[in-house]
Parts: sequence; structure tokens; C-alpha cells
Amino acid sequence: DSGVTQTPKHLITATGQRVTLRCSPRSGDLSVYWYQQSLDQGLQFLIQYYNGEERAKGNILERFSAQQFPDLHSELNLSSLELGDSALYFCASSVSGQRMNTEAFFGQGTRLTVV
Amino acid sequence: AQKITQTQPGMFVQEKEAVTLDCTYDTSDPSYGLFWYKQPSSGEMIFLIYQGSYDQQNATEGRYSLNFQKARKSANLVISASQLGDSAMYFCAMREKYSGAGSYQLTFGKGTKLSVIP
Repeated sequence: DSGVTQTPKHLITATGQRVTLRCSPRSGDLSVYWYQQSLDQGLQFLIQYYNGEERAKGNILERFSAQQFPDLHSELNLSSLELGDSALYFCASSVSGQRMNTEAFFGQGTRLTVV
Repeated sequence: AQKITQTQPGMFVQEKEAVTLDCTYDTSDPSYGLFWYKQPSSGEMIFLIYQGSYDQQNATEGRYSLNFQKARKSANLVISASQLGDSAMYFCAMREKYSGAGSYQLTFGKGTKLSVIP
């Protein structure tokens, strides 16, 4: 158990809908990362938050947004869902976003299926 | 351009044998970190080993070792004495400075699927 909790584990929704994925980082970790893993694209970095502030942005669509709350949990909001958004969404946390050798610990992922 | 390249989509290894999974990377930043993660069929991502760009010695963690060749920009994972439980996807990742934000992001390769044969 990595200590990173993601909910829900599975989500099935229709095209055009909006969903929220939730992540609780490991105790003491200030940095949260979101990744999307699809079969053809591998693990794509979406966005990083550090202590409530956005720190790095990757290939995140405008339909997607995220935030990190004062208690350090994070939510990834996906809207106007398309079939191609079906993927495994991972949250990872690390102690610091600013140290090179800090490994990121991953949650179990949320498998999103858009039908 | 790909930052992390894993050229072996799939590999087979006999149980108890050693196997090397290849990873090459591309960065102009002198300060970076290299990681390997394992993803079993259950889906979770498990951290295996880390190598810093300034580390003089190759990293080792139990049966895992990292063959770091800085001039070649390669960071191959070596698994010794393979076990059936090693069958999984293996991802190489690089942490480098994210421009302008003072923090670092982790970029992954496409992975190598390792199958251990009894």
C-alpha cells in the first residue's frame, strides 16, 4: 500500500458528462501529480500541485482542470467527456516537488470508461 | 521528441535468469533523476529504483540494479534471478526541472512488458 488513496476505483459515464476524481496524498506529502494512462499514449503527465499551488502543467486538455485543497487532497475534474478520455487516471504524491531524488508514490488509479 | 525511450515493447526471460530492460533519455539539463517503476496486471505503480545524474555509483536495490551510462544517456534496469512475480510492465521515468516554475516533473517512457517463463 503506497499510502495514496484514489476514489473511485472505477467510473463509467456517458459522453458529454462531467466527473470528478479524488486523490488523498500520503501523509506529509505536499506535492500531487496527475497522470493519464491510455493504451496508445502510455503515461501522460497532466498537472502537478505543490502545497495548493499549480507548479507544472503537461498535456492537460482545456476540458480538464484540477485543484489541491488546504488539506492537500486533490481533485481532477473532467468535463464534456469523449470516448477517447477513457483511461486509467493516476494520482501520485511526493514530499516535495522541488527535490530531484524524491520518488513519487502512486495511488491505485481510477479507471474511467466513457460510453 | 521522446524524452524517454524504451525500445523493447516486450521481453521474455526464463525464471532465475537475469534480464536487462533498456532505457535511453534525452535532456539538456545537467541535473536530473532517473526512476524505474513496475506496474503489475493489478495496475498499481510500484517504485523500484532511483539514479541521480550526479551519482558516481550505479544504484542497487535488492535484485534490481541500474546500469547508468551517462555519456550514452542510458539507464538500463537489470533484474537478477527473475521470479514469476516479476512479470509486469516496467516503466523508465526521468525527473527534470520544469522550466520557469522551480519544480520538477516526471516523464515516463512507454514501458516494456516483461514475461517470466517458468
